[in-house]
Amino acid sequence: DAGITQSPRHKVTETGTPVTLRCHQTENHRYMYWYRQDPGHGLRLIHYSYGVKDTDKGEVSDGYSVSRSKTEDFLLTLESATSSQTSVYFCATQDGPGQRYEQYFGPGTRLTVT
Amino acid sequence: GENVEQHPSTLSVQEGDSAVIKCTYSDSASNYFPWYKQELGKRPQLIIDIRSNVGEKKDQRIAVTLNKTAKHFSLHITETQPEDSAVYFCAASILGNQFYFGTGTSLTVIP
Repeated sequence: DAGITQSPRHKVTETGTPVTLRCHQTENHRYMYWYRQDPGHGLRLIHYSYGVKDTDKGEVSDGYSVSRSKTEDFLLTLESATSSQTSVYFCATQDGPGQRYEQYFGPGTRLTVT
Repeated sequence: GENVEQHPSTLSVQEGDSAVIKCTYSDSASNYFPWYKQELGKRPQLIIDIRSNVGEKKDQRIAVTLNKTAKHFSLHITETQPEDSAVYFCAASILGNQFYFGTGTSLTVIP
């Protein structure tokens, strides 16, 4: 658990403001993921990264962007936050498909957009 | 894409009884099926997983079974304890690529 951290852990922001969430890992895992968790929907993939500067979209990517400039950091940006983006956001890491399949989750960030 | 359905959404059992949670998937190419446990306010934790080359896997009181023909897999918890109370999520994946999660089962173990 100590190998994956997220910041901030809680954030309240206003509609229309930009927000950046950070995921930091010390596992040296190649793959990193951003999910959102909402009641009745489980965990849904927003974006993922398969290496430094290599990212791709998930099933709910609209309104989000990501960046990965270092192996250990994966940033999620909401360019202009909306109330529908109020959620709990989880980062996950994975050694890499084809090697070890397991994904390990960070502690989560609770984001409220007012 | 893959579609994973999970049932039931809520489950209450008496302490010591067994609990079973079922998931179905749509993509026959899926071959990796993990189960996560999430306690209130905590992160999802991997508790057991199974690959399509085996039909059953056990780890102490928990087991997972897989029926590839019917495209469903199940989590079995025996001798339930109050600390088993949590939300459980199943997921399906092809070779560890993009995970598709079920909507979760809230398990309550009544002492």
